[in-house]
Amino acid sequence: GENVEQHPSTLSVQEGDSAVIKCTYSDSASNYFPWYKQELGKRPQLIIDIRSNVGEKKDQRIAVTLNKTAKHFSLHITETQPEDSAVYFCAARWAKLVFGQGTRLTINP
Amino acid sequence: SQTIHQWPATLVQPVGSPLSLECTVEGTSNPNLYWYRQAAGRGLQLLFYSVGIGQISSEVPQNLSASRPQDRQFILSSKKLLLSDSSFYLCAWSARKGVLAQYFGPGTRLLVL
Repeated sequence: GENVEQHPSTLSVQEGDSAVIKCTYSDSASNYFPWYKQELGKRPQLIIDIRSNVGEKKDQRIAVTLNKTAKHFSLHITETQPEDSAVYFCAARWAKLVFGQGTRLTINP
Repeated sequence: SQTIHQWPATLVQPVGSPLSLECTVEGTSNPNLYWYRQAAGRGLQLLFYSVGIGQISSEVPQNLSASRPQDRQFILSSKKLLLSDSSFYLCAWSARKGVLAQYFGPGTRLLVL
């Protein structure tokens, strides 16, 4: 079946350090991989996405990499800041989006 | 640009009462529409999705139902609320063709007492 596994479930890093969140997906037919950031009490916000014909995409301090052979993709946040603290969800699209379980990222000042 | 609205923002209802949550999308036509539920501190659970007027697919059997009376309107209903229905309900939309991104509404926080 269609499934997305996300790790770690919680991540704590020092301000200024990098954070990496990883996801694996079950079916290679997926062609679209978005990442969402959800702050406490708010809606999930799309922060970056990547299609299966691209290996890496970067937007300022955030980047996503995709390894189609291994069926995994990762979110990289560099020079982390306190406002990066949130829950992050990865997803993969087949007929519809299937979400990972989420990662609670805490940036320690 | 496209905008998605949900109301009410918060709702407190007694057990056994009915429920109606509304979602509307502006600035696009023929969207795919979705209802999700998110318990406190948990992930996103897809409840229903719709690819067109009157077309509803249910992901999880429960006491909730969904309807799509108009192209850009999606409604989540219940005849009798349970305590376990307390949650954060999110509507989302995506384009039928082309752009694959999915965008969430502001959500409705429901507390059943």
